[in-house]
Formats: sequence, structure tokens, C-alpha cells
Amino acid sequence: GAGVSQSPSNKVTEKGKDVELRCDPISGHTALYWYRQRLGQGLEFLIYFQGNSAPDKSGLPSDRFSAERTGESVSTLTIQRTQQEDSAVYLCASSLAQGRAYEQYFGPGTRLTVT
Amino acid sequence: AQSVTQLGSHVSVSEGALVLLRCNYSSSVPPYLFWYVQYPNQGLQLLLKYTSAATLVKGINGFEAEFKKSETSFHLTKPSAHMSDAAEYFCAVSVDTGFQKLVFGTGTRLLVSP
Repeated sequence: GAGVSQSPSNKVTEKGKDVELRCDPISGHTALYWYRQRLGQGLEFLIYFQGNSAPDKSGLPSDRFSAERTGESVSTLTIQRTQQEDSAVYLCASSLAQGRAYEQYFGPGTRLTVT
Repeated sequence: AQSVTQLGSHVSVSEGALVLLRCNYSSSVPPYLFWYVQYPNQGLQLLLKYTSAATLVKGINGFEAEFKKSETSFHLTKPSAHMSDAAEYFCAVSVDTGFQKLVFGTGTRLLVSP
């Protein structure tokens, strides 16, 4: 079946512009996660959704970052007034349910470059 | 707080040689541990996971890892490297906050030479 998809695959934007990144999870997966991967670093957790509720937003780096999810489907991560330090690969993952027993399946990521 | 340390940002081996990628963790609760592989321009793929059952875990593509509580380690091994193993490998620990929040290491790039 289809895996997690993300769009766009690459995004170049000017500093100060807003960007929207999209994630389509695997059908039926109730849990959805966003991570950020900066060059030379591991993945940082950003936010988690269970359904369309976000119980944990603790990883969002600033109030310029926000995310929403429509039901148990698409999620969008929005970065307002982008800064150069926002340049990274943004990865989305989904799992069948919440909890440590459930594998997270990752999308290919969106590479964001802020010039 | 949970954390993961991967020693060596790059590891080079010859084709057919043993692969050893090191991972040490810190966790205040019994950990769940994972190894993921990332091929260029692709998402992360789960190689194997430790969930408190058998300490020696076998994964895909001939990889295995051993959980050693006394050493707080979860090193990844493969007896014989193949060219197709060249990729970036990430170790992660699960933070049990009611959902599976993963804390990742910084990754190790495996280079395989003929």
C-alpha cells in the first residue's frame, strides 16, 4: 500500500516568507509525528497528533511554527516569517496508534532552504 | 532525560568486512531502542527494534543488535558488508510519554568500499 507522502520534496524560500509543508499519512494511521533534521544532526521531535488533536507541541522551536491535522488525514506544518536557521529536512511519520509498540513509518521529507 | 549517543559520524568498511555501528543510550525508564536506516533522498526505514524481550534482536538485511543494560549500549552489527548497505544509520530511544516520542542520535554514515 501507499506509504507516507510529503510535499513539496524541496522548497526554497526567501527569509521572512511563510511556508506550508504537507504530510499525507498512511491510511488508517491515527498517530502522526513531525520531526526536523538539520544538517549533521539527528532528528528533533516537533509535534505529535493523535487524530486531529495535538497533545504534545513541546518540540515546536518558536511561535512561528504551527501545525494542524484534518481528522486522521493530512497534516500541514506552517512556518511563518522563515529564518535561515529553519533550513532543514522536515520529516513526517505516522503509526497505527499511539504507544511504543507501534512502528513509526517515515515519509521522504521536505528539504527547506531559506535564503 | 532520555538521550542517544552515536560514536563516529562516519564509518568506512570494505565490502565483506564486519559492520559495527555504536549506540549508547541514557534512559530513566526501561528503554525501547530502535535502529533506522536512511538511503539518499528517502525517508527512514526501521531496521530493528528492542522492546524488552530478547536482548539479541535480528532485523532486516542481515543486521542485528544486542541490548546490553550493563553497558547501556545497543550496537548494530552485520557480519559482512555489502555495497548496498551504504547509507546513514540512526539509533533512537523511545520516550514513554504516553505516546512514542523518539529521541534520535546524530547518525552514522556508513561508507562501503569495493
